[in-house]
Amino acid sequence: DADVTQTPRNRITKTGKRIMLECSQTKGHDRMYWYRQDPGLGLRLIYYSFDVKDINKGEISDGYSVSRQAQAKFSLSLESAIPNQTALYFCATSDPDRGDTGELFFGEGSRLTVL
Amino acid sequence: GQNIDQPTEMTATEGAIVQINCTYQTSGFNGLFWYQQHAGEAPTFLSYNVLDGLEEKGRFSSFLSRSKGYSYLLLKELQMKDSASYLCAVLDSNYQLIWGAGTKLIIKP
Repeated sequence: DADVTQTPRNRITKTGKRIMLECSQTKGHDRMYWYRQDPGLGLRLIYYSFDVKDINKGEISDGYSVSRQAQAKFSLSLESAIPNQTALYFCATSDPDRGDTGELFFGEGSRLTVL
Repeated sequence: GQNIDQPTEMTATEGAIVQINCTYQTSGFNGLFWYQQHAGEAPTFLSYNVLDGLEEKGRFSSFLSRSKGYSYLLLKELQMKDSASYLCAVLDSNYQLIWGAGTKLIIKP
């Protein structure tokens, strides 16, 4: 089983609908992230959380919100989806305090299409 | 502004060696990462450099020159499974990761 699990893996929705992408992890990491990936662009950070009580905006947070329900769960919501939010979304975790390099561990991705 | 540059696409032959370059301009530097990403899959960690020099890990090596704002990933004895995108990312002074757009590596038999 994957250490970082995202649901759904694929979703097609219509403009204006509310969408939630969920992420859960079994790595015991405090830090969790949501990224989006578009063709020809680097990964862009939407939101990140360093612990349950800490939520921070990334570079492209407009149109998105998040909830850190527990150390292991971090959800991304699109309150009213629009077509330019069509992208591949990745959840990731890290824990640099554990002596590793602080590298990110990614979920398998959620492909969202907004019509 | 902050910027990471890497070639969009490269082609190499199975069994050969390929070097993927990455240049960066960031506000501060706290390390550089290389990730591999197969099409439609999640990125996976390859290497981390924070000091100048070469880090070798099996067929893959990563080099860093902080004074030049430059890194490369060297892949030896290329295999077909190495066909993937290779992402360069820099940790800036605020410990935020700045990502390059990735280099798509195509391996030909």
